[in-house]
Amino acid sequence: TQLLEQSPQFLSIQEGENLTVYCNSSSVFSSLQWYRQEPGEGPVLLVTVVTGGEVKKLKRLTFQFGDARKDSSLHITAAQTGDTGLYLCAGAASNTGKLIFGQGTTLQVKP
Amino acid sequence: GAGVSQSPSNKVTEKGKDVELRCDPISGHTALYWYRQSLGQGLEFLIYFQGNSAPDKSGLPSDRFSAERTGGSVSTLTIQRTQQEDSAVYLCASSLRGGGGTDTQYFGPGTRLTVL
Repeated sequence: TQLLEQSPQFLSIQEGENLTVYCNSSSVFSSLQWYRQEPGEGPVLLVTVVTGGEVKKLKRLTFQFGDARKDSSLHITAAQTGDTGLYLCAGAASNTGKLIFGQGTTLQVKP
Repeated sequence: GAGVSQSPSNKVTEKGKDVELRCDPISGHTALYWYRQSLGQGLEFLIYFQGNSAPDKSGLPSDRFSAERTGGSVSTLTIQRTQQEDSAVYLCASSLRGGGGTDTQYFGPGTRLTVL
């Protein structure tokens, strides 16, 4: 069974601080996706990483896929209150559309 | 354009009753997925439809759960003899092609199911 361990599960920081969320597994994934979810809504895709060692940047967000394609991280620089939400990582097994989700990280950015 | 829609948005039912949850995917999307989410947690895969292929039912937690997709579009998730542990938000997603893990899944807002 493929599992994704996401940490930390909850993070409360002040505006302007940096943070990193981790997503780890003992399994290899063909790709890994990061989503953000607001209360009462479905998750919205932020990024997909496919190649081991890949780094993608989305404004103040930096996503990295581990060399072995078993882990990933999301780093937010100078967090803003608008970054508050639930962040989810999800891995795709080869040749399937099925996603395995981590438990999620609830981020609270205080003004 | 219209996104994925789900109905009802909220459903309260009594233990032992059957419920049906509906998903309308984005027009033209061949793949449709159902997930379940407990409060503040990650999503649990339930079932995946891809075109005319047999669905991947590997995530359904028991034989009380079933789903169908009519005409390659609308899908219904049915839970028979509901139990309190079935209480969760049920999310539907669709994607253009499915498979491979690089296809973007677009999620609906979910149906919050409460079993009393």
